[in-house]
Formats: sequence, structure tokens, C-alpha cells
Amino acid sequence: QKEVEQDPGPLSVPEGAIVSLNCTYSNSAFQYFMWYRQYSRKGPELLMYTYSSGNKEDGRFTAQVDKSSKYISLFIRDSQPSDSATYLCAMGGDYKLSFGAGTTVTVRA
Amino acid sequence: DGGITQSPKYLFRKEGQNVTLSCEQNLNHDAMYWYRQDPGQGLRLIYYSQIVNDFQKGDIAEGYSVSREKKESFPLTVTSAQKNPTAFYLCASSSGGTLGNQPQHFGDGTRLSIL
Repeated sequence: QKEVEQDPGPLSVPEGAIVSLNCTYSNSAFQYFMWYRQYSRKGPELLMYTYSSGNKEDGRFTAQVDKSSKYISLFIRDSQPSDSATYLCAMGGDYKLSFGAGTTVTVRA
Repeated sequence: DGGITQSPKYLFRKEGQNVTLSCEQNLNHDAMYWYRQDPGQGLRLIYYSQIVNDFQKGDIAEGYSVSREKKESFPLTVTSAQKNPTAFYLCASSSGGTLGNQPQHFGDGTRLSIL
């Protein structure tokens, strides 16, 4: 079993829809949670970083962490064609950072 | 503009050849990392360095080597011992801390292919 499992997708949504992305993990030592956005042929770009359970909001993006269920989510409101990318979750403990395989999202105009 | 610069963007390797991928950062970060990205897999850590003149093996270090002579630079050599080198290679840096508790910032990668 992988330490980090990410919904594989791909997802295709109409412009303006809410995008919901999810990851689960098995390692209780993970205390730090990140979401990255990766455009084709580019490096990942940090979107969200959090280390506590609950919600963190930044503009149209909301990161949700549930440590008791070992489950994290990223919500994108009012999605735009420019949000079309691959989204990676990442989880860290003190000595390890593990990445999900990514979910590719297409937002249709 | 602060950031991480990787070069070249595309690289081709012949059989039996060693090739070196460049990574330079001007973020004044202490820690630097090399990852390999293959389709359908998460990023896998090759090597990391938390301080100049020191580096540690990651999960898939076999067939790779690194050096860290300057804080700004962390080149990766893909040796002929790496039998499946075709992948997208990503360099990252972070401001320190331990391996997993700081967000990492990435360059735009080098795509390596076999001729």
C-alpha cells in the first residue's frame, strides 16, 4: 500500500464548477500538508501549506485536513480554464515528504 | 526575481554516457533536492542536501551522483549505471528545517531521454 493515495482522475468540469480533489494517507507521522499545481512541462508550484486539521482558505482555493481520518482535500471554487493542470498533494513528517501521483483537471470553457 | 533555474530543458543521453543536470537557486535556501517524476507516479526523491558539502541519498539514489560545493548550486549526474534514466527531473529547495516540514519550491525541470 502506498503511503499517499490520490484520486487518479482525470477530471473534466465546466467553467465555474467547484473542483474537489482528495488524498488519503497511512502514515500517522505526517503533520504537514501541501497542495501543488503543475502545468504541462513545468515544475510544481506551491498552492497551499497547512499543518493543522480544519480548513484554510486562499482566494478561490480551500484546503481541508482531517487528521483523524487521514484525509485531505482541495476545493477550487469558480473554476477557470487557467486552472487546467495536474494537482499534487504532498505530506510531510520531520524526516520525509511524500507526494501523491497527481490528478489532472481540465476546466472546459 | 528569486527562483530556481534548471538547465537544460531537454537532454539526450547516449548509451554508456554520463550526463549532468544543472540546478541553481537564488532564494538563499539551505536545503536542495532532486526528484524524478514518471507518469502515474508521485515524485521520488533521488538525493537531498541540507547544507553545503553534505548530501544524503533519497529513495532511488542508485545510478545518480550529486555535489554541493556552493549554497546556490546542486548539480545531478545521471551515470551510465542508471539503466532507465528517461524521466522528468525536478530540482527543489526549501528554507531549511527538516526534510518534511517546510514547503519545497521547484524549478521547471529537465526532461532526459535516451538516444
